[in-house]
Amino acid sequence: GENVEQHPSTLSVQEGDSAVIKCTYSDSASNYFPWYKQELGKRPQLIIDIRSNVGEKKDQRIAVTLNKTAKHFSLHITETQPEDSAVYFCAAKGTSGSRLTFGEGTQLTVNP
Amino acid sequence: GAGVSQSPSNKVTEKGKDVELRCDPISGHTALYWYRQSLGQGLEFLIYFQGNSAPDKSGLPSDRFSAERTGGSVSTLTIQRTQQEDSAVYLCASSLVAGVTGELFFGEGSRLTVL
Repeated sequence: GENVEQHPSTLSVQEGDSAVIKCTYSDSASNYFPWYKQELGKRPQLIIDIRSNVGEKKDQRIAVTLNKTAKHFSLHITETQPEDSAVYFCAAKGTSGSRLTFGEGTQLTVNP
Repeated sequence: GAGVSQSPSNKVTEKGKDVELRCDPISGHTALYWYRQSLGQGLEFLIYFQGNSAPDKSGLPSDRFSAERTGGSVSTLTIQRTQQEDSAVYLCASSLVAGVTGELFFGEGSRLTVL
């Protein structure tokens, strides 16, 4: 089955700096890669996603890039703000069924 | 309802007892998923339903775990003879249709503590 690895597990940045979280996946046929944000004590929520026919997608301060050849995708947050502090999960959907496989998560802390 | 609803929000039980966790998905969502989140860990897939059937239950950790869904709506996750390693937050999510790319809407989770 699909295996997703996420790095780093923790990331601390100063407010205004950029943050980058990277994930790799194992199933070369995976075609859908969402990112979820989980604030402390709250439910995970989708923040951005990308499909395999697209190399990059942006939404304001958030962007995701996908390299299908290398089987990795990344989340980029620019001009970070304290409210960006949360756990971020990458995920991949393989071709076997509808299972969404998540990475282990990255705890992002934005220091004021 | 407006969102995915889970109950109970917190459950403390003694080792060896059975527990039932309930999930009420967003109305009209045909796909329902159960994930487990241990402290500081990622989201571990357990099972998903398309309608009332479970095409993929391969994530259930042992035969002590079972889940059902009736009427294409409410789902119950049952853990028999609970063990301390079962302690985790159990998250339910629903989406409009399984098998296609699309957003999962998560509930607040049920925090299970096995003493």
